[in-house]
Order: sequence, then structure tokens, then C-alpha cells
Amino acid sequence: GQQLNQSPQSMFIQEGEDVSMNCTSSSIFNTWLWYKQDPGEGPVLLIALYKAGELTSNGRLTAQFGITRKDSFLNISASIPSDVGIYFCAGRRGNQGGKLIFGQGTELSVKP
Amino acid sequence: DGGITQSPKYLFRKEGQNVTLSCEQNLNHDAMYWYRQDPGQGLRLIYYSQIVNDFQKGDIAEGYSVSREKKESFPLTVTSAQKNPTAFYLCASSIWTDLSGANVLTFGAGSRLTVL
Repeated sequence: GQQLNQSPQSMFIQEGEDVSMNCTSSSIFNTWLWYKQDPGEGPVLLIALYKAGELTSNGRLTAQFGITRKDSFLNISASIPSDVGIYFCAGRRGNQGGKLIFGQGTELSVKP
Repeated sequence: DGGITQSPKYLFRKEGQNVTLSCEQNLNHDAMYWYRQDPGQGLRLIYYSQIVNDFQKGDIAEGYSVSREKKESFPLTVTSAQKNPTAFYLCASSIWTDLSGANVLTFGAGSRLTVL
């Protein structure tokens, strides 16, 4: 099955730094979701995007639905140790029967 | 509180044995899903079900089986035909509309299966 291209695969940053990750696809999507997975747990929804160009914030997190509808970005400002985990993007195309397609994940490590 | 419960959290199996992973939700969601997660890979869809008594194969259904006898329950059986069953298994649910398909997925805490 198709997967989204998510980058980077991993990041090692210092506490307080800003983080940016993105997902791209060769196809147009009508929904973009960003999830965070803590070690040994299930993913939890962070932000949902439904319109091209939409920019949504959730605390220190900001995500954008790309204008081309083929990409999405997630930014984390002023990182803290509890930001550690795997971040997944997920997208849905209108002709996929509603199924979500997931990126490979970005593993974030934060050094205090 | 509404949510998804997966059990067991950890499971060990000998080669050649079938095992069943439980998934129960009290969110009144129509659709339920099973994903497999391996290190460094995204979530791969095994099976999903939009309504009771109906389910569809996902991208990696070989060696797995499911049932959907009740709206709240969607157990996954990992059969001996699955060549590499050691993985982290995630169950999820969502509302489902004919117009837009799956809405946002809510995940369970996962079950880690290890084949000895």
C-alpha cells in the first residue's frame, strides 16, 4: 500500500529548540492528521487539517495543510523533554474509500 | 470515559500457535481497524470493518483473521501462517460516513506480540 514520505526519520535536539517535520505525497489529499506516539503506547491525535492552506495551532504545536494539497508541516516550538516520541502524519484521499494512509514517522529525541 | 481497550498488553507465543488479540471500544464508533507497527516503519493496515458482520482486507492481511460480531468488539487472530508475527499491534476506531469515509482515528494502547 501507498505510504506518505515523512521526513526527517529522526531528530536529536536540545531542549528549547524548535522542531519542524513534514509529509509529502504524489497525490492530492483532502485531510491531513498529525499524531504523537509515546513509547509503548498508541498514537494520540494532535492536530487535524481539512482545508488547503489551513494553519492550526495546539499550544506549542502548529500544523499546516499545504496549498498544493500534497504536503503538510508540523512545527514544535521551544521543545521540552516530554515532546519525546514518534510523530506520524496521516492523510486521506477522497477516492481511497476513506482509509487513512500513514507516514513512516519522525522519532524525536530531546536532550535536557 | 470512552475509549478503546486492547488486551493483553504483552503476549508471548511459540511458533505454530494461533493467538487472538482483543479490542473493545465504547465510543459507539462504526468502524474499527487493526494496524501493525514495526520499528522504523509506519502503521500498516491489516483489516478494517465499517459495520457489524462485515470486514475488509487491508494491505497486509495474509496470516491474520478477524471477526465483527458486535459493534464494540473487533478481535484479531494472528495465525501460524503469519511468517513474521513479532510486532506491536494497534487497534483503532472511528465514525464512518458514506460521504467522507473514515473520520479521525482513535487508537488503543497497543499489544506487543513476541514469538519465541
